[in-house]
Amino acid sequence: DTAVSQTPKYLVTQMGNDKSIKCEQNLGHDTMYWYKQDSKKFLKIMFSYNNKELIINETVPNRFSPKSPDKAHLNLHINSLELGDSAVYFCASSQDLQGSNEQFFGPGTRLTVL
Amino acid sequence: GDSVTQMEGPVTLSEEAFLTINCTYTATGYPSLFWYVQYPGEGLQLLLKATKADDKGSNKGFEATYRKETTSFHLEKGSVQVSDSAVYFCALSDSGGGADGLTFGKGTHLIIQP
Repeated sequence: DTAVSQTPKYLVTQMGNDKSIKCEQNLGHDTMYWYKQDSKKFLKIMFSYNNKELIINETVPNRFSPKSPDKAHLNLHINSLELGDSAVYFCASSQDLQGSNEQFFGPGTRLTVL
Repeated sequence: GDSVTQMEGPVTLSEEAFLTINCTYTATGYPSLFWYVQYPGEGLQLLLKATKADDKGSNKGFEATYRKETTSFHLEKGSVQVSDSAVYFCALSDSGGGADGLTFGKGTHLIIQP
């Protein structure tokens, strides 16, 4: 049973298009995150959600709009894709907002913008 | 703001060699410290963690000790195997909680040769 799943695994698209990435966790966790990993493997937090509510938006362009229909899902919609959006996007979840909690990561979605 | 600095690779070792990957951090308060591992094509997995000063995290032969006086959390293993080849990330979670997500170092690519 996959704890944190993401779809699609690969996404190739043209500049200017709109795309979505879906994330689901079956761990019963309250808190979910989106991270971006660039070509040099550097990981940076984008958003954090707790009980479907946005907690943190780390200076991400408003072309990125996360949506959490319920606690188990956190989807990421990206408008007007740009070349610089090419990266691997990871969804993660943790039990709650305690900083000492382990975060469980999905397998990642590799986005390539042409 | 918070930051994590770790030695950048690639680090290439022979099987059964001793491993040290250095990690230092800058944070206010008392962060929780983590080592995550990323195998090729996969998401990140927690390797070990420590939540207060002088705590030692350990797993699969890897160890790291939370040293507040030197703001360090160096990863060590006595005898590495080919299967340990991966990218290793040192990370911290702010003492204020998990809302800000994890702050990661840039990752260390470890290559173990038979």
